Amino acid sequence: RKEVEQDPGPFNVPEGATVAFNCTYSNSASQSFFWYRQDCRKEPKLLMSVYSSGNEDGRFTAQLNRASQYISLLIRDSKLSDSATYLCVVPRPNYGQNFVFGPGTRLSVLP
Amino acid sequence: EAGVTQSPTHLIKTRGQQATLRCSPISGHTSVYWYQQALGLGLQFLLWYDEGEERNRGNFPPRFSGRQFPNYSSELNVNALELEDSALYLCASSPRLTENYGYTFGSGTRLTVV
Repeated sequence: RKEVEQDPGPFNVPEGATVAFNCTYSNSASQSFFWYRQDCRKEPKLLMSVYSSGNEDGRFTAQLNRASQYISLLIRDSKLSDSATYLCVVPRPNYGQNFVFGPGTRLSVLP
Repeated sequence: EAGVTQSPTHLIKTRGQQATLRCSPISGHTSVYWYQQALGLGLQFLLWYDEGEERNRGNFPPRFSGRQFPNYSSELNVNALELEDSALYLCASSPRLTENYGYTFGSGTRLTVV
């Protein structure tokens, strides 16, 4: 099983829609998880941290299910500016501070 | 607070040459990470430095090397450049020995090998 796997996408949704991405990980000892967003040809930027069961920040909600080893990201009321690639990030086994980035899920919000 | 800075922004080299990329972390951050992102692909981990030492290395050939200086800045060297080394090279930093703090990335160096 790969260290991090994500929904392959792309997701094409209309403005105002709710969209959810899933991410599965293999390292059961992982404690910290992150979602990053990456715009085309730009550097990734931290969107949310997930330490316990979940985290909410405005229109964005991240949930963690340790038993099933997956993380989800929910975006409500999608905006055109949400169009980007969303990267799931988990710690590397035995190197907690060294993170593995998932392949990303591409989102396009359409007018 | 200044973010992670990388130089140069763009670099064009000929196959077989050497490239040197530089990174200055956020003040107070002691860990520096290097990632490669080829066009249309995901981030591939290259190297992790902390307190001047290499802590972990990704699955890349030895011609990819680097170092970290006493001021925590870092340098990535790529020897004997190949066409497939063309990519965006991203540097990130974080405080030492904590997995509860995500990375902050620089804007990258875009290396083109011709």
